Amino acid sequence: AQSVTQLDSQVPVFEEAPVELRCNYSSSVSVYLFWYVQYPNQGLQLLLKYLSGSTLVKGINGFEAEFNKSQTSFHLRKPSVHISDTAEYFCAVGKAAGNKLTFGGGTRVLVKP
Amino acid sequence: GAVVSQHPSWVICKSGTSVKIECRSLDFQATTMFWYRQFPKQSLMLMATSNEGSKATYEQGVEKDKFLINHASLTLSTLTVTSAHPEDSSFYICSAKDRAGGELFFGEGSRLTVL
Repeated sequence: AQSVTQLDSQVPVFEEAPVELRCNYSSSVSVYLFWYVQYPNQGLQLLLKYLSGSTLVKGINGFEAEFNKSQTSFHLRKPSVHISDTAEYFCAVGKAAGNKLTFGGGTRVLVKP
Repeated sequence: GAVVSQHPSWVICKSGTSVKIECRSLDFQATTMFWYRQFPKQSLMLMATSNEGSKATYEQGVEKDKFLINHASLTLSTLTVTSAHPEDSSFYICSAKDRAGGELFFGEGSRLTVL
């Protein structure tokens, strides 16, 4: 069984400040890791994914995440946020790249001017 | 990028009626589609896995007679909420696995409100 824990349900941050969203997972097998963003009343948009290789993954919109196997973490970071980054962010794990996903509880990012 | 379309995006229905939600992969073939449910301010919970030409696989606790899933073609899966009740009100999101590349793409979601 797999599980995903997003440690922060809400993260308020000022515009142009950095942000880090924490994600920890547990799994008995190797997993693939994903971060998605969801804007209000919309579906999910893939920010980035880790399948293998370099543990630092760069995604769209200036986001990046680092896979840490020993700490079973996959934290998401952005050095400077914009108002438009206000959204819900979900960390997810799957056994394969196109397989069903287990999602974390989500982190709501509110960027303040 | 690949597009997955859901229809309708919003639907309001009366209690006791049935509602069908479509999930289409517009520019790729999808042998597998996944249906998720999302309650307000909560995460996505997998309901079922839909495979083209075969019966859907439901997650534990999901009533298969309540949530009918049909995957009749490589580009279309449908979720029918039968005899809907207010507690079925939710945001339903599908994702489709690209047959060629194996990537997963999400639809825009369908919000169901049962009065």
